[in-house]
Amino acid sequence: QSALTQPASVSASPGQSITISCTGTSSDIGGYDYVSWYQQHPGKAPKLVIYDVNNRPAGISNRFSGSKSGNTASLTISGLQAEDEADFYCSSYSNINILVFGGGTRVTVL
Amino acid sequence: EVQLVESGGGLIQPGGSLRLSCAASEFTVSDNYMAWVRQAPGKGLQWVSVIYSGGDTYYADSVKGRFTISRDNSKNTVYLQMNSLRAGDTAIYYCARRYTITWAFDPWGQGTLVTVSS
Repeated sequence: QSALTQPASVSASPGQSITISCTGTSSDIGGYDYVSWYQQHPGKAPKLVIYDVNNRPAGISNRFSGSKSGNTASLTISGLQAEDEADFYCSSYSNINILVFGGGTRVTVL
Repeated sequence: EVQLVESGGGLIQPGGSLRLSCAASEFTVSDNYMAWVRQAPGKGLQWVSVIYSGGDTYYADSVKGRFTISRDNSKNTVYLQMNSLRAGDTAIYYCARRYTITWAFDPWGQGTLVTVSS
């Protein structure tokens, strides 16, 4: 069982927006602004799309945005495109386990 | 281009040992936090270990006492020594570099597959 809880799957049509939630505890998400999100296409290595809750690395589309409230973080993808179809993982610094990940969310573009 | 290349994976019997390598290009590993993260077949990501730029090391409870992270500054390479391997250690092992001064990691290597089976 993963330390952070994500929905197993989310789907939407092209052009729509989706939001993926990631729930932890006060020892991780709720205690630190060190939430990150990774995109992983099949057979590929993960790629960072959001860090420190709501910051995008260089080269990442502004269609990706992040937020946090209490022990829950969220990733929103607006204007969904076919290339966004992938697995998404949240992670957070933890004062117990250093780094914890969510179980992953499969995003399907209908 | 900043790049990480893992090697050393393979098929190993339960109880055996394996050493993974992560060779870095275009940056200095000793100036960065470096992590190992694994992914069991069809499963999610699991943090394994991290080595700080100052040399401190930390491990997930599931590998503590069995795995050792280290680095060779002259080779600009990070290692993961894995002992007493179990079937549950079967996974793709990725190394990754800390992204700026935060607890995110990027880039990641392409991964190396470790299969523990008799």
